Amino acid sequence: SQQGEEDPQALSIQEGENATMNCSYKTSINNLQWYRQNSGRGLVHLILIRSNEREKHSGRLRVTLDTSKKSSSLLITASRAADTASYFCATDVDNTDKLIFGTGTRLQVFP
Amino acid sequence: EAGVAQSPRYKIIEKRQSVAFWCNPISGHATLYWYQQILGQGPKLLIQFQNNGVVDDSQLPKDRFSAERLKGVDSTLKIQPAKLEDSAVYLCASSGNRGPRQFFGPGTRLTVL
Repeated sequence: SQQGEEDPQALSIQEGENATMNCSYKTSINNLQWYRQNSGRGLVHLILIRSNEREKHSGRLRVTLDTSKKSSSLLITASRAADTASYFCATDVDNTDKLIFGTGTRLQVFP
Repeated sequence: EAGVAQSPRYKIIEKRQSVAFWCNPISGHATLYWYQQILGQGPKLLIQFQNNGVVDDSQLPKDRFSAERLKGVDSTLKIQPAKLEDSAVYLCASSGNRGPRQFFGPGTRLTVL
């Protein structure tokens, strides 16, 4: 079963704009990860945020985590056409290495 | 470092046929995962190995799917016999002991006709 639900399912923006996607999950977690998947390719790890962190930055990426609401958001600033991909959140399960992935947000960035 | 390797990249078979996928994880990674990703969905874990032992195969349809990881390195995932609903991308991932981050291969896209 899917742990996370992502919102929106699809997002279209122009280059230079910011993109925000949200993830909600159901059970308590130790950490939450975001992955990117280009069409026809495997997933690439973007960023990990631990349950005791509220915000984390990596380059043009900003991730927030609200454990009280069981939600996270991924912000991509100054988007580029190369950011076009699907983005997935993933949460750990029962203190293990096992991940459960959300349903994904398909981002399209137009030049 | 070399990434996770998978083969074949694409496979088309007819229902009731058999198919096998191969994965070579990143060198030194003890944990190996197989995921099934149906179009429009997130990856779903099928099986997790720690070295050559199975950690979790609760989501593996064992009547038709099997997987092994001999010698704790390469792994194969087999489907026998295939059904139409097995059409998906099969992703292999591995992780080491530096944290929960997983490294994914390019996947094998299976089409069952």
